[in-house]
Amino acid sequence: ETGVTQSPTHLIKTRGQQVTLRCSSQSGHNTVSWYQQALGQGPQFIFQYYREEENGRGNFPPRFSGLQFPNYSSELNVNALELDDSALYLCASSTTGTGSGGYTFGSGTRLTVV
Amino acid sequence: GQSLEQPSEVTAVEGAIVQINCTYQTSGFYGLSWYQQHDGGAPTFLSYNALDGLEETGRFSSFLSRSDSYGYLLLQELQMKDSASYFCAVKGGFQKLVFGTGTRLLVSP
Repeated sequence: ETGVTQSPTHLIKTRGQQVTLRCSSQSGHNTVSWYQQALGQGPQFIFQYYREEENGRGNFPPRFSGLQFPNYSSELNVNALELDDSALYLCASSTTGTGSGGYTFGSGTRLTVV
Repeated sequence: GQSLEQPSEVTAVEGAIVQINCTYQTSGFYGLSWYQQHDGGAPTFLSYNALDGLEETGRFSSFLSRSDSYGYLLLQELQMKDSASYFCAVKGGFQKLVFGTGTRLLVSP
C-alpha cells in the first residue's frame, strides 16, 4: 500500500487566480473526498467522488469543483481564489461502505492566497 | 445544523491517563471516529464506534453513548509522541465526516 499522496505540498497564489490540487488515492480505494482545514480548526467536508461522479457536497460554493479519474486519482479545482481560501486541503480515500469509519488521509496541500 | 464539541486543550504528564470528551449534534449518524493529527501532518485514524460501548485498540480506547450523543477517547500510558491534536468526527450521509474543532494534547515529562 502506498497511502494517499497529494501534490503540491505548498502553494502560494494571488487572489482571483485559479488553482488545481492533486491526489492519488490509496491502492484499492474507490472513493475520494476532499476537506478544507483552516488553521486551528477541524477539517470541513468539501465533496466526495465515487466512480468519477460527485455524490456528496458540503457547504462550499460552485467555484470549488473536482474530478475523479478511472485510476481513482482526483483533482480539486478552486476558481476566483479569495483570501479566506487559505487553508490546508486534505484528500481522503476509502472503499465504498467503509464500515470501520477509517479513512486514509494525505498530508495535504498548504494553500496561501495573497 | 451539525456541531461537535471538544475541549480545546488538555495537558498531562508521561505515563498518565487522559480522557478527551466529545458531544455531538448531527442530522445523520453512522458512527463516531477519532483521528490524531500532528502539526503539519495528516489526520490518522485511531478508533471508531458504530454501537454503544467501549472499543479498545492498544493504548487507545473509545466509548460511545448514542442516547447521550456523547463519546470519549481514552489514552493510557501517555508518551511524549502522543502530543498532538485529536479530533472526533461523526460519519454522516454519503460517508462524509463532520469533524469537531479538535483537542490539543500536551504531554510533558
